[in-house]
Amino acid sequence: KNEVEQSPQNLTAQEGEFITINCSYSVGISALHWLQQHPGGGIVSLFMLSSGKKKHGRLIATINIQEKHSSLHITASHPRDSAVYICAALNSGGSNYKLTFGKGTLLTVNP
Amino acid sequence: NAGVTQTPKFRILKIGQSMTLQCTQDMNHNYMYWYRQDPGMGLKLIYYSVGAGITDKGEVPNGYNVSRSTTEDFPLRLELAAPSQTSVYFCASSAQTIEYNEQFFGPGTRLTVL
Repeated sequence: KNEVEQSPQNLTAQEGEFITINCSYSVGISALHWLQQHPGGGIVSLFMLSSGKKKHGRLIATINIQEKHSSLHITASHPRDSAVYICAALNSGGSNYKLTFGKGTLLTVNP
Repeated sequence: NAGVTQTPKFRILKIGQSMTLQCTQDMNHNYMYWYRQDPGMGLKLIYYSVGAGITDKGEVPNGYNVSRSTTEDFPLRLELAAPSQTSVYFCASSAQTIEYNEQFFGPGTRLTVL
């Protein structure tokens, strides 16, 4: 059983829509990462957060440590946002440099 | 800065062959990682290193070996390739501090074992 669960697995939206991708985790964490993987395969780090909320352009990430839940929001979605979005939990403890990854959410934004 | 570079981009191996996947970073990061990504599955950690001369096993180390003789390089060795090792391999690095641990990924190596 994966310790990091994402929903939905697949998401199709129309350009301009507000997008929410959810991530739940069962392990204790020191931080949670959101990553973006484009069809070409390259992986880019979007956010790393351990509490509260972060915003970068049209992307917003939130985390609730008590509920073990994080969300990634995309406002005014655009076809170029089409990608796989992956959340990854950074395990807390003495060795806080191991990430447990979710399976990803495939987002398709249609024009 | 080039960031994290990986070679080759693609490779086809026959069962039983060996090869080395190269990974280099120019950000002076202490921490480096090797992941594999199988279709429909999350990334899995193969090996990681917290500095030159120090390596440790991740979640799926069987069939692989690594070395870390310099800060910049972290090669991954497959000794006896098997079809189960067909995957996309990503190398990553990070600067480890308590407050900040963003990972930077290489472009990946797509390996097929036939």
